[in-house]
Amino acid sequence: KAGVTQTPRYLIKTRGQQVTLSCSPISGHRSVSWYQQTPGQGLQFLFEYFSETQRNKGNFPGRFSGRQFSNSRSEMNVSTLELGDSALYLCASSFTGMDTQYFGPGTRLTVL
Amino acid sequence: KNQVEQSPQSLIILEGKNCTLQCNYTVSPFSNLRWYKQDTGRGPVSLTIMTFSENTKSNGRYTATLDADTKQSSLHITASQLSDSASYICVVSAVDMRFGAGTRLTVKP
Repeated sequence: KAGVTQTPRYLIKTRGQQVTLSCSPISGHRSVSWYQQTPGQGLQFLFEYFSETQRNKGNFPGRFSGRQFSNSRSEMNVSTLELGDSALYLCASSFTGMDTQYFGPGTRLTVL
Repeated sequence: KNQVEQSPQSLIILEGKNCTLQCNYTVSPFSNLRWYKQDTGRGPVSLTIMTFSENTKSNGRYTATLDADTKQSSLHITASQLSDSASYICVVSAVDMRFGAGTRLTVKP
């Protein structure tokens, strides 16, 4: 079966802009989680959506938001981009959120 | 201070040898502890998931152990292969997920 897909794979933005990233989970998976990965901070949890509801949230400012659609696809939005938002953004899907997660390849965001 | 500490930070071993990676955590209570493998430039791959009541979980040559009393977990890799070269990340799930900084493993021929 098809894996987790993320679009776009690479993105370059300038400070102050906003960006929307997309994640399509594995068919049948209802949980989608988002993570930020940087060399300095490592992997950090952003939020988790399950059946269109945000179920958990990490310690990120309100500029980071997300949503999940009825088909379980999820989007993540970052507004008023800062240089420090440059990172690899990963999404992962699973059936329940408590079982094995499958990660997508990530979206590499560069903020100039 | 990070609530999930991994050691060593990096490790180099010869192909065919065994190794053990450590994860100490202070997150409490927690629902599960996971080990992931991440190849450079790729997303993490789940190796094991253990609830607080489980002591050990295996996935092929990978065996994870958990001691909830001492708040320690280890990942043992048996008969290492060149393809085991990657970062190994320990994650503790509570209200949110807390990640270790990872151990960078290099397997040399």
